[in-house]
Parts: sequence; C-alpha cells; structure tokens
Amino acid sequence: AQSVTQPDIHITVSEGASLELRCNYSYGATPYLFWYVQSPGQGLQLLLKYFSGDTLVQGIKGFEAEFKRSQSSFNLRKPSVHWSDAAEYFCAVKNQAGTALIFGKGTTLSVSS
Amino acid sequence: KAGVTQTPRYLIKTRGQQVTLSCSPISGHRSVSWYQQTPGQGLQFLFEYFSETQRNKGNFPGRFSGRQFSNSRSEMNVSTLELGDSALYLCASSLASRTASTDTQYFGPGTRLTVL
Repeated sequence: AQSVTQPDIHITVSEGASLELRCNYSYGATPYLFWYVQSPGQGLQLLLKYFSGDTLVQGIKGFEAEFKRSQSSFNLRKPSVHWSDAAEYFCAVKNQAGTALIFGKGTTLSVSS
Repeated sequence: KAGVTQTPRYLIKTRGQQVTLSCSPISGHRSVSWYQQTPGQGLQFLFEYFSETQRNKGNFPGRFSGRQFSNSRSEMNVSTLELGDSALYLCASSLASRTASTDTQYFGPGTRLTVL
C-alpha cells in the first residue's frame, strides 16, 4: 500500500540556519510528490511538486526538494530559515488513481532566535 | 484569481446532529476533494468529485457523504455526528486535466467542526 513517512515529528532550527525535512514514500510506480505547508489555523499551501524530469525542484519561499528514487525519498531543504517559516510541513504522494493525496503525519518546524 | 473558499469557517454542533459544509473551487477547476484533519489521524482523504460524480472515496463510514453541483461547487454532509468527527475539514480543487496524477490540488482554509 502507498504510504508516506516523515520521521521527524518536531524540529527546531535557529534563524539563519539551514533546514532539511525528511520524507520517505512507498509507491510501486512513478510517484507524484508534493510538499505543503500549514500555518496555525490555516489551510495547506503548496510549496513545490515533483512529477518527472530534473530531480531537484524549486518551490516558493526559497524551498527546494530533491527526489531520490534509490532511497525513496523527497527531502525538503532551505539554505537559510526565517522566523516566518515556523509552521507544519506535510509531504504527500498521489494515490494510484491520481485522484487523492496520501499525506505523511507532518513535521512541525520551530525557529529559534 | 480567487482561491478555494469554504463556508462556514467554524461550526459547533452536538452529537446526533447533522452538518453540511460548503466548498467553492478556484474558477475553472472541475475537481473537488475533501480531507479530514485530526491530531490523531492526520490528514485523511474523504472523497473526490468530478463532473458531479464521485470518482474516489476514502475509508470513512456512510455517515459522510458529498455532492458536486454543475458549477463545480461541492458540499459534504455528515449525519448523526459523533464526538470523533471533531476535525478540520479541508477542501481542495484541481483542474482535472486528462492525466489526474499530474493535477495539483489547491486547498481552502478549512472548516473547523467541533462536536459537543
């Protein structure tokens, strides 16, 4: 069955430091992968997506993610974190029918000054 | 272009009641999906509608139902509410191109349902 694992429930990063959020997926075919961010009391905002092609994808707000098929991973990175990046981050994969997203449990990012 | 809108934003109901939530997709989007978000279970897919037809359904009891209108607006209904139905209900819309897998879902702000 398809699944997404985000191993880190909570991460704290100093402002200005680099960030990497981990995501591993389980999917037999070509995965369609997404990262979303959710601020408290808000819906989900799309950060970036991977469908095919270049394995390093750029997103909004200075985020990027790298698809590694050999490791079944799609980790999210940012070179320098800002206090406004504090939020919950969700990795997701499209289901086989392509009509639904399967989400990981999320990683909460705290930013310290 | 306006984003996905959901009404109401907050709702308080008591056990046994029923509730209807509404979602208006981004203009031009023809697919609407619904998700339930709880602290314990995370984000779970409820169902997806395209052209007024349910194309896919998640693993939820029959108390959860939905529909889509000809203008792509969607409603979901929960009957006989239980305490465990307290959650944030998120609606997402997508273009519904020929290849569903490459459709990107854009989310609304959600409806926070509290069942007392």
